[in-house]
Amino acid sequence: DGGITQSPKYLFRKEGQNVTLSCEQNLNHDAMYWYRQDPGQGLRLIYYSQIVNDFQKGDIAEGYSVSREKKESFPLTVTSAQKNPTAFYLCASRAWRGAYNEQFFGPGTRLTVL
Amino acid sequence: GENVEQHPSTLSVQEGDSAVIKCTYSDSASNYFPWYKQELGKRPQLIIDIRSNVGEKKDQRIAVTLNKTAKHFSLHITETQPEDSAVYFCAARIQGAQKLVFGQGTRLTINP
Repeated sequence: DGGITQSPKYLFRKEGQNVTLSCEQNLNHDAMYWYRQDPGQGLRLIYYSQIVNDFQKGDIAEGYSVSREKKESFPLTVTSAQKNPTAFYLCASRAWRGAYNEQFFGPGTRLTVL
Repeated sequence: GENVEQHPSTLSVQEGDSAVIKCTYSDSASNYFPWYKQELGKRPQLIIDIRSNVGEKKDQRIAVTLNKTAKHFSLHITETQPEDSAVYFCAARIQGAQKLVFGQGTRLTINP
């Protein structure tokens, strides 16, 4: 189903806890992305990575952290510093070479803070 | 940086009629403009895209037009069907950049 998987599908967190969202792809894509989706606000970029062991902040990186130790994996940690973490989180990837390569999305993780 | 504005935020049309969603972008260096469709609870999926060297592109009932001078592009859906109901996002990528900037989305509802 698209080659990008995210887990879990639903995640519940208590205030003050850190949680990690998983994103894996088997498309051999170099670039990977994390977006946050809130109603009426579109897709906002949190972090992205173009190659292993390198990543850049997006527009709303505060309260989040990432790692890129393997080409296939780009986990996102939502820390307790993120004040409003309840949202739908989407991971995406695309091939590095080629300016017009399609960006594919994973199925998403819905995070709810209790 | 790039900024993308999308209108309208909601759109309701009768089945069989046409729907048009419009986006404007700010950076003239943008050269790639994809459109994504997101059904309820699902992932966004690419439905059509256009490059800056093309003015119009069609794929069956879907078309996209680009006006580089005015810096706006539009999605046109003809002969709408119930399965067209979804949220549609436009996006733009600056030449050489690795990230897309998305519009706020349009919730399209097709009324039977």
